[in-house]
Amino acid sequence: EIVLTQSPATLSVSPGQRATLSCRASQSVGSSLAWYQHKLGQAPRLLIFDASARATGIPARFSGTGSGTEFTLTISGLQSEDFGVYYCQQYKNWPPWTFGQGTKVEIK
Amino acid sequence: QLVESGGGVVQPGKSLRLSCETSGFAFSDYPMHWFRQPPGKGLEWVAVISKEGSTTYSSDSMKGRLTISRDNSQSTLFLQMDRLRAEDTALYFCARGGIGGYSSFESPSDHWGQGTLVTVSS
Repeated sequence: EIVLTQSPATLSVSPGQRATLSCRASQSVGSSLAWYQHKLGQAPRLLIFDASARATGIPARFSGTGSGTEFTLTISGLQSEDFGVYYCQQYKNWPPWTFGQGTKVEIK
Repeated sequence: QLVESGGGVVQPGKSLRLSCETSGFAFSDYPMHWFRQPPGKGLEWVAVISKEGSTTYSSDSMKGRLTISRDNSQSTLFLQMDRLRAEDTALYFCARGGIGGYSSFESPSDHWGQGTLVTVSS
């Protein structure tokens, strides 16, 4: 099973600033990595797939980089609606489809 | 749109059947997943079923205690959970496997429901 480790656990960012979230895989997943945003009471929202491709309707301030075992999600010019918990997910080696433990983004 | 139902409070050892009614896309063209989120914890994959329903996989934590199935004529996904334990308490989500017109086991999920809450407690 591939283990995904996210850091930091919590990130406090002022509006307009940049947020950088990391995801490390226990073994290579190639580019088969996605990022989701999840807010309480809502469906998880796919942001990035294949490590760097934005999903439909996702603003350009969300960007993903990386391959192999190291991945980054960057939110440039954070907006108030960007609060929530962000998860990375690998879909290279399955089952299981695994997630990181999440990074909580707080608006400072 | 994906709408889960069937959650509730159930005693340990009992069973529960969840449903996921879908609309707005060609249900039979996509594998379908169940995920869950225990209270205060992160997302966890539970089970998946192929487009035709012929292939299924389930997590080790629930293996032997669940059956995932689908009715393509009704665009509905099901999760039968048996011998429930307290650690199965979670918000259960259904999601399709794929992005846009691409569907595969080797893909993330671009559409999810809002979840149905299962509480296992005596």
